[in-house]
Formats: sequence, C-alpha cells, structure tokens
Amino acid sequence: SAVISQKPSRDICQRGTSLTIQCQVDSQVTMMFWYRQQPGQSLTLIATANQGSEATYESGFVIDKFPISRPNLTFSTLTVSNMSPEDSSIYLCSVEVRAPGELFFGEGSRLTVL
Amino acid sequence: EDQVTQSPEALRLQEGESSSLNCSYTVSGLRGLFWYRQDPGKGPEFLFTLYSAGEEKEKERLKATLTKKESFLHITAPKPEDSATYLCAVLYDKVIFGPGTSLSVIP
Repeated sequence: SAVISQKPSRDICQRGTSLTIQCQVDSQVTMMFWYRQQPGQSLTLIATANQGSEATYESGFVIDKFPISRPNLTFSTLTVSNMSPEDSSIYLCSVEVRAPGELFFGEGSRLTVL
Repeated sequence: EDQVTQSPEALRLQEGESSSLNCSYTVSGLRGLFWYRQDPGKGPEFLFTLYSAGEEKEKERLKATLTKKESFLHITAPKPEDSATYLCAVLYDKVIFGPGTSLSVIP
C-alpha cells in the first residue's frame, strides 16, 4: 500500500483565481493520477502525472486549465486555473503500487469556487 | 462507448439482511475489474481485483464475483459500519469508475 497526503484538504476560492493542490506519497511510485469527483458523482480521470515529462490528459481536460507537475517519484501538483463555480469538486490524487488498476487514493481536496 | 453501470443507485438494509450489488460493463478487452469502498469525505479504498469470469474474492462480510459481463458484490449479514458507497471500476487502457451504490445499514 501507500500513504498519500494531499494539501489543502479543502479551500474556498474566488472566481478567476487559481489553486495548486499538492500530493505527497510515502514511497516512490511510477504511476500517479489525478481524478475529479463532482458533487454526487463518480470519479473522472483528469490526467496521468508523468515524472520528468508532460502529463497525459484525458479527453475534456487541457494543460492550460489543469497544469500538472511531477518533479520526482513521490510528489505531484495539480493547479486548477482561472476557476469558475463549475470547478467546484473534490480533486483526488492516486497512485498505482502493486498492479494496474489497484489504486490508492489520498483523502482528496474539496474545492468550492464562489 | 465503454461504460460501467451499477445498481441499485442506493440500498438500505437492516443489520443482518444480506444483499448484492451489481456492476455491469460494456468494455471490450477487459484487463481487470475492481471494487472500492468510499466513506464520506474520504478517498476510495481498494477492496478487490477480479481478472476472469468465475473468479471470486472474499474479505470479511464481502464477496466479489465476476461473470463475462457483470460483477456482484455480495454482503453477508451487514453491520452499520459497512455503510458506504461502493464503487466498481474496470481497466482497459485506463481505469473507468462506475457511479457507485450508496449502502446504508440500519441497526
């Protein structure tokens, strides 16, 4: 397993601003992902955070809106840029440790945009 | 389009009343099916992986089974602490999560 710490756990932000979420893992992992969970909904994959190269984004998500950094094998950040109320969601960092699809998640960062 | 559906959307059980949750998928080239538990305000917690039809996995009061097009999560004699949302996910070239079943177990 892996222990994943996310910061902040929650925040309230103003429209038009940006927020950076940090994800720290207690061990080196190759595969790290960022998910979004909108209110009352399931998880949607935003992107795969690649160490040393640009993140791989899923359809509907773009780098300008959700820039991701992955400077090493234990840390990543997700920035939500130029926020609007539609960005109000829980953002979750996850890692794959043992086998493809077996994901461990952080506690999530609950973002409210006013 | 690859899809994962779950039923029921919500389930309310009396303590000790066994039941099953369903996960159906239309994903071709399935590489694995996963069950997760999510408590309010927390990230999902991995429970089981199933790879092939006929496979079963058990953990305490939970048993997961897999057929060619669906999976079941059987809950035997549930307790209030089993109350949570149960998410099914499938893997082909990425992990796709279903919408979840919200389970409430009433004492």
